[in-house]
Amino acid sequence: DTAVSQTPKYLVTQMGNDKSIKCEQNLGHDTMYWYKQDSKKFLKIMFSYNNKELIINETVPNRFSPKSPDKAHLNLHINSLELGDSAVYFCASSELAGGPKGSYNEQFFGPGTRLTVL
Amino acid sequence: DAKTTQPNSMESNEEEPVHLPCNHSTISGTDYIHWYRQLPSQGPEYVIHGLTSNVNNRMASLAIAEDRKSSTLILHRATLRDAAVYYCTRHSGGGADGLTFGKGTHLIIQP
Repeated sequence: DTAVSQTPKYLVTQMGNDKSIKCEQNLGHDTMYWYKQDSKKFLKIMFSYNNKELIINETVPNRFSPKSPDKAHLNLHINSLELGDSAVYFCASSELAGGPKGSYNEQFFGPGTRLTVL
Repeated sequence: DAKTTQPNSMESNEEEPVHLPCNHSTISGTDYIHWYRQLPSQGPEYVIHGLTSNVNNRMASLAIAEDRKSSTLILHRATLRDAAVYYCTRHSGGGADGLTFGKGTHLIIQP
């Protein structure tokens, strides 16, 4: 039973194209995240959403636009793709740390989407 | 910048205990210490977290130094399935804060 799922698993595209990655979680969590893992395996937070509202927006180019149609989904749209956008993108979800359901922030990650920009 | 330091790699034999160190000398008094691991071609997976006291769960134990400047993840009996990259990171424990991982420790398990 998949907890956090992402589509597609692999995405190969040309520079300048626009692409989207979809994420869904069936854990009933309020909070969802997008992460980027580069070729050196460093993983960095890009965005976090709580109850469909943007909470964290790290210094990410505005070509990246997350959209949360409901609490279970957080999609990532990328405009005008560049070579440097090539990476593995992970979606994750959690309860809101410090919120009514828990005091910690165990995050559940999806399997990742490997984006290659040519 | 994860603000933690870990050895690049460690090797252990199957069914032996493994101690994975992490240095977080600039940790604030309220930050939690979290450990995640990433198996090949998979997303990171939560292992354990703690604040001040040592912690145990079904996967591992976490030993936190008294001054909180370092911690050690202990796998009591390593199996081949424990071969992964282990990340130590700090987290405020509040809100929707994200995680930041450094390079982590690549744990190799020999049969």
